[in-house]
Amino acid sequence: DAGITQSPRHKVTETGTPVTLRCHQTENHRYMYWYRQDPGHGLRLIHYSYGVKDTDKGEVSDGYSVSRSKTEDFLLTLESATSSQTSVYFCATQDPLRGGSSTDTQYFGPGTRLTVL
Amino acid sequence: LAKTTQPISMDSYEGQEVNITCSHNNIATNDYITWYQQFPSQGPRFIIQGYKTKVTNEVASLFIPADRKSSTLSLPRVSLSDTAVYYCLVDFTGGGNKLTFGTGTQLKVEL
Repeated sequence: DAGITQSPRHKVTETGTPVTLRCHQTENHRYMYWYRQDPGHGLRLIHYSYGVKDTDKGEVSDGYSVSRSKTEDFLLTLESATSSQTSVYFCATQDPLRGGSSTDTQYFGPGTRLTVL
Repeated sequence: LAKTTQPISMDSYEGQEVNITCSHNNIATNDYITWYQQFPSQGPRFIIQGYKTKVTNEVASLFIPADRKSSTLSLPRVSLSDTAVYYCLVDFTGGGNKLTFGTGTQLKVEL
């Protein structure tokens, strides 16, 4: 594994509150990703980053924002949590081949289980 | 729209070969296909990756036919510990928001 930690591992919050999830990696991987996992949908990409201050939207980005001020940290923020954002959130990192290919293995963190009441 | 499709579940017995197929439309010549394994309460873990014909490693084989509209993960002799969810991930030309996971196949292995 690529030394990926996620915090918190579990969180319960109320509708309308802001929530920030943190992903920290120790391998200096350039690419980082945030996914959510829900029954019947598998893993869906929320946002991704190809480097410090270089982020872009994934398939299900509405209601989420991200920031990456350091190589090792990738933050996911729910501006105003809703019940539909109850999910398990996974962070992943990737060390691409030279030239920017994203075809190398992704390493996943242990996940954060978020419940929005 | 890039999309992948997998069977929802499969059952097998120890010692058998298991083949899980992923269907993917609009895949380009150099788009990679990667398979991951996931156990409950853990993140997915890499199994194998390829973009053409056949790839084999110590745990699995990946078969990709000439038309590249599907791929098959082959687990040669499964054991109880292979019970997990298996996902295919297709890098539809360039990654980023085109990285599309399948919905996953729950494999159950019994004695």
